[in-house]
Amino acid sequence: AQSVTQLDSHVSVSEGTPVLLRCNYSSSYSPSLFWYVQHPNKGLQLLLKYTSAATLVKGINGFEAEFKKSETSFHLTKPSAHMSDAAEYFCVVSFTGGGNKLTFGTGTQLKVEL
Amino acid sequence: GAGVSQTPSNKVTEKGKYVELRCDPISGHTALYWYRQSLGQGPEFLIYFQGTGAADDSGLPNDRFFAVRPEGSVSTLKIQRTERGDSAVYLCASSLGRGPDTQYFGPGTRLTVL
Repeated sequence: AQSVTQLDSHVSVSEGTPVLLRCNYSSSYSPSLFWYVQHPNKGLQLLLKYTSAATLVKGINGFEAEFKKSETSFHLTKPSAHMSDAAEYFCVVSFTGGGNKLTFGTGTQLKVEL
Repeated sequence: GAGVSQTPSNKVTEKGKYVELRCDPISGHTALYWYRQSLGQGPEFLIYFQGTGAADDSGLPNDRFFAVRPEGSVSTLKIQRTERGDSAVYLCASSLGRGPDTQYFGPGTRLTVL
């Protein structure tokens, strides 16, 4: 079985400060890991993905995530938050043998304040 | 190019009625997925098509739910005898169908069962 746990349901940061959204995963197989973002009334958009290549993955809009097998973590970071980053973020796991169906975490709502 | 489209964007129905939700994937994408997102939750997998056949329907909650993709492109999710608990946003995604490739999501259909 595979699952992801997003450790914070809400995160609030000031504009210009770093962002850290935490995710731990559980998978019986070598996982693929993703972060998706969902802006209000918009579809899910892929931020970045890890598929067993480099453990540090760079995505769009300055986000990056590091795959740490020993810690079973895949935390999402950004050095400097922007107001437009306010959205819901989902950590997602899949494995190739599972038909690539995605298993989503419960989401982290990111709030960015002036 | 055109993304994944879903119709209708909103559907309100009465308990016990039958509904159909449509998904138009990205042209050339052989894999198509349906997910359901309840309020405050991450999307949950329902069913996955590779071409015309349902490769994995393990996420369908019961036999009131059925999906088809007769020509390997457009898919229809069908819900019989709707219940209030079926109210959710139904998301469709498509991908090239090769390995852990990116799934591109549509905007969703918001189903409300009164």
